[in-house]
Amino acid sequence: AQSVSQHNHHVILSEAASLELGCNYSYGGTVNLFWYVQYPGQHLQLLLKYFSGDPLVKGIKGFEAEFIKSKFSFNLRKPSVQWSDTAEYFCAVIYSGAGSYQLTFGKGTKLSVIP
Amino acid sequence: SQTIHQWPATLVQPVGSPLSLECTVEGTSNPNLYWYRQAAGRGLQLLFYSVGIGQISSEVPQNLSASRPQDRQFILSSKKLLLSDSGFYLCAWSLSGRYEQYFGPGTRLTVT
Repeated sequence: AQSVSQHNHHVILSEAASLELGCNYSYGGTVNLFWYVQYPGQHLQLLLKYFSGDPLVKGIKGFEAEFIKSKFSFNLRKPSVQWSDTAEYFCAVIYSGAGSYQLTFGKGTKLSVIP
Repeated sequence: SQTIHQWPATLVQPVGSPLSLECTVEGTSNPNLYWYRQAAGRGLQLLFYSVGIGQISSEVPQNLSASRPQDRQFILSSKKLLLSDSGFYLCAWSLSGRYEQYFGPGTRLTVT
């Protein structure tokens, strides 16, 4: 079965610290990868996406993620976090193919940024 | 631009009562529509998806059903709620043929 693993349940950082959230997915063919973010009291928003091409993708608010095919990973990074980045982050994968609609999500990583 | 609405935002229902959650999308035609459930510490689980009016696919056998009576309307229902149906229900949409999905604000359902 397809699965996505997020390594950290809760990460606590001080402002200006660098962030890296791990995400690994199970092998299943050609993948499309996503990071979603859920700010407190807000709905789930698409942060960035990877379909093909340059494995380093840039998203909104200074976030980026790198697709490493050999490691089945799609880690999320930000060089310097802000208090406003406090949120829950979800990695998700959908496998290419006819009739492929199911986004498989990781369990999420809660990020707390301390001012 | 496209927007997605869900209501109600919160709902408290007794065990055995019926359920109807509604989702509508504006600003697009013939979207794919999805119902997810988010349980604490368990990520999101796809419940149903629809690629067109009257076309519903179920991913998880359960006490719930879905219907799509109109192009941009998706309804999640139950005839008799169970305690285990409590959770946060999210509706999402995507353009036909596209993989990225966009989520609504969700409905917090508590079954007592």
